[in-house]
Amino acid sequence: GNSVTQMEGPVTLSEEAFLTINCTYTATGYPSLFWYVQYPGEGLQLLLKATKADDKGSNKGFEATYRKETTSFHLEKGSVQVSDSAVYFCALSPSGYSTLTFGKGTMLLVSP
Amino acid sequence: KAGVTQTPRYLIKTRGQQVTLSCSPISGHRSVSWYQQTPGQGLQFLFEYFSETQRNKGNFPGRFSGRQFSNSRSEMNVSTLELGDSALYLCASSLATSGEGETQYFGPGTRLLVL
Repeated sequence: GNSVTQMEGPVTLSEEAFLTINCTYTATGYPSLFWYVQYPGEGLQLLLKATKADDKGSNKGFEATYRKETTSFHLEKGSVQVSDSAVYFCALSPSGYSTLTFGKGTMLLVSP
Repeated sequence: KAGVTQTPRYLIKTRGQQVTLSCSPISGHRSVSWYQQTPGQGLQFLFEYFSETQRNKGNFPGRFSGRQFSNSRSEMNVSTLELGDSALYLCASSLATSGEGETQYFGPGTRLLVL
């Protein structure tokens, strides 16, 4: 079946530090890959997505590249801010479907 | 455009009762999906509705059911509530023109507490 594995948190960083959150997946075919972010007390917001191998999704300084050979979609940001503190979810939708399979989520805490 | 709205935002029920949650998708979106979020199991897919028909279903017992109306609004129902049903229930909508790689837009969720 389909599954997503992402690194356990919390990830604790100082402001302006470099961020990497690892995400790997298992799926047949060519799934689409997503990163969603959840702020306290809110629903999920799409951060970025990639729909085919070697695509790079980017938004608000965050980036992730769809790596078919390593089945990975790691999230990176060059300089985090306190306002980036949230829970980040990696997810996939199988080829031909829009339903999402999520990873467990990684909490990011950024201190001033 | 207004986002996905869910009502009510909070609910407290007791074991054995049933509950109905409502979701209004973004205007023009035809697909509505439901997810359950718990600290232990994370985010799990419940079901997806498209054009008033259930198109996909997750691995949940038959106590969980849903429906979609002609205006794309959706409801989910949980009967005979159990303590383990306490969760945040999230609704998401999408255009569903091709089904492939489409972005799902999430509502704020309904937080259900079962006592």
